Amino acid sequence: QVQLQQWGAGLLKPSETLSLNCSVDGGSLSGYSWTWIRQPPGKGLEWIGEINHSGSASYNPSLKSRVTMSVDTSKTQFSLKVTSVTAADTAVYYCARAHFDSWRHHYYGLDIWGQGTTVTVSS
Amino acid sequence: EIVLTQSPRTLPLSPGERATLSCRASKSFSSSYLAWYQQKPGQAPRLLIHGASSRASGIPDRFSGSGSGTDFTLTISRVEPEDFAVYYCQQYGSSVRTFGQGTKVEIK
Repeated sequence: QVQLQQWGAGLLKPSETLSLNCSVDGGSLSGYSWTWIRQPPGKGLEWIGEINHSGSASYNPSLKSRVTMSVDTSKTQFSLKVTSVTAADTAVYYCARAHFDSWRHHYYGLDIWGQGTTVTVSS
Repeated sequence: EIVLTQSPRTLPLSPGERATLSCRASKSFSSSYLAWYQQKPGQAPRLLIHGASSRASGIPDRFSGSGSGTDFTLTISRVEPEDFAVYYCQQYGSSVRTFGQGTKVEIK
């Protein structure tokens, strides 16, 4: 059974770089898009972006200038970096697996989620 | 970017009642690209419905989804105590995979 285990620094100062990792335990990176989502306190879900096993990424335009995603196929891990953080980046960050079948043109949803990492930006 | 607008924002119900949640899109897309999630406090979201109407593995059949084009609906036929939560729709029909702002199903 595939599980996602995520980790990273939880307390940052303004202008620092947020760095999170997500390990795919019991599965492969191939065939899926690996997604990052965040949720500010008391608010809804925001899609940050996704990356596939070959490293092709797509980002939310609202964050694109500060976001970088990467994959490490040897470790079956993927990562998120957000530069120049501010208090507005305070949120719970989730990694998740997106399953899209391009042959059948069917989206099977974000079917596996990490446990979430609380990131607080404060001076 | 496709904007998803969910209504109502809050839905007060008693156990056993029927819940009807709406998700309206700013532009049309294939129903195959619409998913619904349930989120309880302190937990990651859980996938309920994919392709607008297909239940994910292990999801009870009191949950159903329908719709096409710009209008989608999640229905809970008889709300159970464990169903009080926030529900989100999400689309995969554009390069920015947006979520709706959520509907909170709360106890009346």
